[in-house]
Amino acid sequence: RKEVEQDPGPFNVPEGATVAFNCTYSNSASQSFFWYRQDCRKEPKLLMSVYSSGNEDGRFTAQLNRASQYISLLIRDSKLSDSATYLCVVKIRGGSQGNLIFGKGTKLSVKP
Amino acid sequence: SQTIHQWPATLVQPVGSPLSLECTVEGTSNPNLYWYRQAAGRGLQLLFYSVGIGQISSEVPQNLSASRPQDRQFILSSKKLLLSDSGFYLCAWSDGASEKLFFGSGTQLSVL
Repeated sequence: RKEVEQDPGPFNVPEGATVAFNCTYSNSASQSFFWYRQDCRKEPKLLMSVYSSGNEDGRFTAQLNRASQYISLLIRDSKLSDSATYLCVVKIRGGSQGNLIFGKGTKLSVKP
Repeated sequence: SQTIHQWPATLVQPVGSPLSLECTVEGTSNPNLYWYRQAAGRGLQLLFYSVGIGQISSEVPQNLSASRPQDRQFILSSKKLLLSDSGFYLCAWSDGASEKLFFGSGTQLSVL
């Protein structure tokens, strides 16, 4: 089983739609969670951290379910500029500094 | 503010040739530095990380090596490239206290 799994998509949605991505992780020692955004042939950029109580940043809402070991990202009122690949990232407790695990990403395409 | 520079943006190299990719960080001291590779259709794979000058940890055995000759300089090298070394190489930094990664703009390497 892969450590961090995401639906690769693509998710094709019209402008203004609400879209949700899920991500599951296998390591119960995971302690921190993030969503990164990556545009085509560009570097990933941190979108938001995911907190246990859930958190919101404008049109973006992230939630964590530790019992089921999944995190989600909800995008409301989708914009054309939201088109990108969204990477789920999990940090494993302890271990080395290099203990961030990246999912393969979910591709979103917002159409006019 | 902190910035990270990575070059070149694209590189086409023949099999068996050497490689040197350079990354520098400005505006911070003693950063943690990372080299990742993103192959087509795959997630980010951590290659090397460094918590200080001359301190390199390798995550994946391969024909690549890394060096950190200065506090804010991180170099990825190979003596002889393989076809399988093709991919998108990303340098990143973090401040150690934060779990957030900040990526350089990446190098698209094609080995032919």
